[in-house]
Amino acid sequence: GQQLNQSPQSMFIQEGEDVSMNCTSSSIFNTWLWYKQDPGEGPVLLIALYKAGELTSNGRLTAQFGITRKDSFLNISASIPSDVGIYFCAGLLEGAGNMLTFGGGTRLMVKP
Amino acid sequence: DTGVSQDPRHKITKRGQNVTFRCDPISEHNRLYWYRQTLGQGPEFLTYFQNEAQLEKSRLLSDRFSAERPKGSFSTLEIQRTEQGDSAMYLCASSLAGQGVQYFGPGTRLTVT
Repeated sequence: GQQLNQSPQSMFIQEGEDVSMNCTSSSIFNTWLWYKQDPGEGPVLLIALYKAGELTSNGRLTAQFGITRKDSFLNISASIPSDVGIYFCAGLLEGAGNMLTFGGGTRLMVKP
Repeated sequence: DTGVSQDPRHKITKRGQNVTFRCDPISEHNRLYWYRQTLGQGPEFLTYFQNEAQLEKSRLLSDRFSAERPKGSFSTLEIQRTEQGDSAMYLCASSLAGQGVQYFGPGTRLTVT
């Protein structure tokens, strides 16, 4: 089963609002990745994080690798309608090889 | 565009039939991964290759599933004697060895009736 707890499961916000979502685990991760998935498509990489405490931005998106290496968060500022989709965190678990472990996803809905 | 490609995008089959999916990774990537995603869930790892060698297999990969990457380039995933529980999106990803980032293809949606 999945070892990443992602929250919230869904969000319905007004256009222009900021959004925050996070992933937590009881296990240590070496890499954190954030993906966005549209219906019927594969996940698209948004941000990659490699070191504890790292804070990385990609346009209106900002993500951080938690200091304990057990969590990560993603913020989206000034949301727009095209931000709609499902956001997944994923990580490389320490000692678990090269397979990604995914969270359950956060479904984002934006009201224009 | 030279991203990961998958074929077919959709497959409908009857229970008991065999199906095969193909994945073409990003050309310079030596690692190739297969994941399965059911509705409302995140992707789950199935198996991965480094060049032509299959290095890891998940317990999700039953005996009815087999994956190959004969020349270290494209890969195929075959499911024999399909069951309704095999209905899912099958995703392929690729990466360079030593890099944590995996790039995903568009997926193959399998429906078993």
